[in-house]
Amino acid sequence: EAGVAQSPRYKIIEKRQSVAFWCNPISGHATLYWYQQILGQGPKLLIQFQNNGVVDDSQLPKDRFSAERLKGVDSTLKIQPAKLEDSAVYLCASSPGAVPDTQYFGPGTRLTVL
Amino acid sequence: KQEVTQIPAALSVPEGENLVLNCSFTDSAIYNLQWFRQDPGKGLTSLLLIQSSQREQTSGRLNASLDKSSGRSTLYIAASQPGDSATYLCAVQTGANNLFFGTGTRLTVIP
Repeated sequence: EAGVAQSPRYKIIEKRQSVAFWCNPISGHATLYWYQQILGQGPKLLIQFQNNGVVDDSQLPKDRFSAERLKGVDSTLKIQPAKLEDSAVYLCASSPGAVPDTQYFGPGTRLTVL
Repeated sequence: KQEVTQIPAALSVPEGENLVLNCSFTDSAIYNLQWFRQDPGKGLTSLLLIQSSQREQTSGRLNASLDKSSGRSTLYIAASQPGDSATYLCAVQTGANNLFFGTGTRLTVIP
């Protein structure tokens, strides 16, 4: 079974630029999560989708971050404009959709904002 | 709000030693607790999952315990190996399927 795929793996941008990350969850998984992991910290949930609807986006900085999950499969996370403090690893995870559920994590995208 | 704390932040041990990593959480209303491993530049790999009704789980040289009432969990690693060097993260799952993570313990096993 293929795991959670993310791209790109690394991205370097300058502040005030825009950036987008892509995630392809495990086939058939209804729930998709985006986490932000700042160096030296544990991952923090940014947004949770159930199929193509948002379940929880309470910790998403909506003035600059946006996410969508079209057709309930792939998802993109966008930052516009980026700030220095957005430098982090962005992890995508998916789960089958039960409560409670086991989340499977992708390799992450490491973003550096200069 | 759920808060998860891990002690120590970093640990260095010689190969072959047994070691214990600690995790504490503030709200005992959890579904389960997981221990993850994270290698540099890699995603998270789930090591052990303990349901809230369970006291411990074992996998090979790893044993995790859970005391929900006191808000504590430990991860015991027996006969440590250099390949065990990684960051170990503890996470508790709440009813909304939210995972609350600790800040991790960075383990180095010296050959």
